[in-house]
Amino acid sequence: SAVISQKPSRDICQRGTSLTIQCQVDSQVTMMFWYRQQPGQSLTLIATANQGSEATYESGFVIDKFPISRPNLTFSTLTVSNMSPEDSSIYLCSGSTSVETQYFGPGTRLLVL
Amino acid sequence: GQQLNQSPQSMFIQEGEDVSMNCTSSSIFNTWLWYKQDPGEGPVLLIALYKAGELTSNGRLTAQFGITRKDSFLNISASIPSDVGIYFCAGPPYNQGGKLIFGQGTELSVKP
Repeated sequence: SAVISQKPSRDICQRGTSLTIQCQVDSQVTMMFWYRQQPGQSLTLIATANQGSEATYESGFVIDKFPISRPNLTFSTLTVSNMSPEDSSIYLCSGSTSVETQYFGPGTRLLVL
Repeated sequence: GQQLNQSPQSMFIQEGEDVSMNCTSSSIFNTWLWYKQDPGEGPVLLIALYKAGELTSNGRLTAQFGITRKDSFLNISASIPSDVGIYFCAGPPYNQGGKLIFGQGTELSVKP
């Protein structure tokens, strides 16, 4: 298994600003993903973070709003840009060492005022 | 796109009771995963199933990969207060690079 940490754990932000969330894995993982979990809801995949190349975004999510970096096999960042209250959510990073199994970080709780 | 339908949405049980929840899909999955999410935490992998018909246990938890490959079940025996949380089923859609889709979750409450 992989141990995943995220920073910050929570933040309160003003609308119109941007926040960058960091995800660190304690070992090399094949794939990294970013999810959003709105209050009381399930997890929705935002994008697959690809090492050294542009992320692959799911329908409804775009690079301008959620730019992602993955400079190496153990680190990735997600930026939530030009935030609005609708972006208030939990953002989760995950990593996988096999195609089917993913391990999750503790999440970043974001509140946009 | 593919969806996972998880039921029940919530359960309120007495400590010591057994619990059963299930997940169904309109299409075939080659892997089923069951996660638990505690308040304020990320999901933690409980059980992974890789073969149709497979029955796998993890302590008091038992999960089964349905023969049709379109469903999976999770059972918790003799529930205890620390079983409280949200349980999610998940699976990788065919040929989509390892990403997962998740069920809606089952929120479990255990009364001491």
